[in-house]
Amino acid sequence: NAGVTQTPKFRILKIGQSMTLQCAQDMNHNYMYWYRQDPGMGLKLIYYSVGAGITDKGEVPNGYNVSRSTTEDFPLRLELAAPSQTSVYFCASSRDRANEQFFGPGTRLTVL
Amino acid sequence: DAKTTQPPSMDCAEGRAANLPCNHSTISGNEYVYWYRQIHSQGPQYIIHGLKNNETNEMASLIITEDRKSSTLILPHATLRDTAVYYCIVRGYNNNDMRFGAGTRLTVKP
Repeated sequence: NAGVTQTPKFRILKIGQSMTLQCAQDMNHNYMYWYRQDPGMGLKLIYYSVGAGITDKGEVPNGYNVSRSTTEDFPLRLELAAPSQTSVYFCASSRDRANEQFFGPGTRLTVL
Repeated sequence: DAKTTQPPSMDCAEGRAANLPCNHSTISGNEYVYWYRQIHSQGPQYIIHGLKNNETNEMASLIITEDRKSSTLILPHATLRDTAVYYCIVRGYNNNDMRFGAGTRLTVKP
C-alpha cells in the first residue's frame, strides 16, 4: 500500500491565485483530514470528512474548501491565496475517529 | 487551544529510557490520551493511546496517573532516530478535532 499520498510536494503561489492540493489514500479509510502547520507550531485542523459526500469544518476552515466524491480522494481548494496561507499542509486518514491517523508527507505552500 | 501542557524540550542519552511528561488536568472521563511524533518535517506518526490503563506497544509505553491528570510516554531504549517533536493530545471518542499543541522536542544524544 502507498498509504496517504499528497501532491504537489512544493508550490509557490502569487496572491489571489487559486490551487488544489491533492490527497489520496489506498487503505479504504472512511475518515480523512486536512491540517496546516505553521513554522514552530503544532498542526491545526482545517476540514475533515467522515465518508464520501460528507465534509465538515475544523478549527481553521476560512479560505479553504473541500470535497469528497470518493472514499480515496480528499482535495483541498484554495480560491484566493493569501500570504497567511503560507504553511505546510498535511492530509491524514483513519479507519474511524478513534483509531490512529496516518499522515501524508505534506505539501509546502508559499504565497508571495 | 490544546488541553495539554508539555515541556518545550528534553535531552536523552542514546540507549537510555526517555520519559516524556504531559499534563492534562482538565481531561474528562471519556477523553483519551494520544501520543504522536513528528520527525524533522515529515507527517506526524502515531505512537500510542490510552484511556485510563497503562498501555504498551512495540514503540513505547504510556503511563497514566490514577487521577488521569497527567501521563508519561516512555521510550525504553532511545536511539538517535527517536529525535523528534512529541505531541500529547487529549481527544474525546466522539470528537473529530485532534488539537496539537507545540509538543516536546526530544533530542537523543550519542
